[in-house]
Amino acid sequence: EADIYQTPRYLVIGTGKKITLECSQTMGHDKMYWYQQDPGMELHLIHYSYGVNSTEKGDLSSESTVSRIRTEHFPLTLESARPSHTSQYLCASSDDVEPQHFGDGTRLSIL
Amino acid sequence: DQQVKQNSPSLSVQEGRISILNCDYTNSMFDYFLWYKKYPAEGPTFLISISSIKDKNEDGRFTVFLNKSAKHLSLHIVPSQPGDSAVYFCAASGRAGAGSYQLTFGKGTKLSVIP
Repeated sequence: EADIYQTPRYLVIGTGKKITLECSQTMGHDKMYWYQQDPGMELHLIHYSYGVNSTEKGDLSSESTVSRIRTEHFPLTLESARPSHTSQYLCASSDDVEPQHFGDGTRLSIL
Repeated sequence: DQQVKQNSPSLSVQEGRISILNCDYTNSMFDYFLWYKKYPAEGPTFLISISSIKDKNEDGRFTVFLNKSAKHLSLHIVPSQPGDSAVYFCAASGRAGAGSYQLTFGKGTKLSVIP
């Protein structure tokens, strides 16, 4: 059973649209993360949060933004989607460095 | 430059035999290592981990070995089962700064266990 939920699972949308990918966890974890993964490639950390009102950028530069207003919710927003944003986005949470618990991801395609 | 490398994109093993998945790392600051398993259309699932103060950790059919001097770790699955067919990611954790808990992942190895 999933304790971390991502919606939508799949999204196909046109260029220039504003997109918000939702991520919610019910485990009360302080730490939450967003990763981007292309097929056959490693997961790259793009954003993370250590708690409410805390957000940091990860190793991979991303045009997306995140917010952490509530412990359980960590949405990712793209203000103007472009084809280069096509990828899989994975959300994770943890209460310490190991292990991070992942959602099932959002597969995003920008036309 | 990749700090965590899984040089075998794929591996095929007969059911019942041993599967050995390898991982190399370059950053000597890494002090904790994890293996995740990923099925298609699902997120990665934590499998097993090892701290740098150990050289072996075992959990049922899964054993992870760490060779710090060689900066190498391996995951052994014995006996392999068809349900083990998945992509396996190696990940490493190191403290980049106070309160930093970032994971660095390899590209994954796709394991196919043949019945």
